[in-house]
Amino acid sequence: AQKVTQAQTEISVVEKEDVTLDCVYETRDTTYYLFWYKQPPSGELVFLIRRNSFDEQNEISGRYSWNFQKSTSSFNFTITASQVVDSAVYFCALSELNFGNEKLTFGTGTRLTIIP
Amino acid sequence: AAGVIQSPRHLIKEKRETATLKCYPIPRHDTVYWYQQGPGQDPQFLISFYEKMQSDKGSIPDRFSAQQFSDYHSELNMSSLELGDSALYFCASSSRDRVYFGAGTRLSVL
Repeated sequence: AQKVTQAQTEISVVEKEDVTLDCVYETRDTTYYLFWYKQPPSGELVFLIRRNSFDEQNEISGRYSWNFQKSTSSFNFTITASQVVDSAVYFCALSELNFGNEKLTFGTGTRLTIIP
Repeated sequence: AAGVIQSPRHLIKEKRETATLKCYPIPRHDTVYWYQQGPGQDPQFLISFYEKMQSDKGSIPDRFSAQQFSDYHSELNMSSLELGDSALYFCASSSRDRVYFGAGTRLSVL
């Protein structure tokens, strides 16, 4: 069975600080996808990144960066120079690498509040 | 670019009533998923369809049913609604690169 753990339920930081959201996963599959989604107060799920298990390269997109470490089953997400608009609930998710069925198993989410 | 369209965005029903949620996936996406997100919870997988056939099933109550039609749109039917069915219901569709979510339907059961 797949499981995603986001141990940080809530985080608050002052604007412009850096913040890292942790994600640890469990799966018996040797190939899989990992995702991060942002859910702002309006409720929609905004896709941030998908990473397949073959690719352990870290990725940077603007103020966002992701650190994938297969050895520790972690896929952490860092926001640099945080802004108030980053306030949201962030979900880490895992899916099998199964064409035609990429159902996601979500973590319980981390509520991030950026204090102006 | 076209996104996943869900309707209605908000729905208010009373206990024991029936609700139908609709989802229009991104064109040429072959897989549709339904998720339920209760208040303060993470989204939970309900059911998925690949090329109009049910491909997987999660913790979907027997009171719920879903199907995907020939034009690839999907409907989630919920009968005998209970207070606990109040949630945000997401539809998603996928292609080879990622899973795209609709804006969700917020169902309130009174």
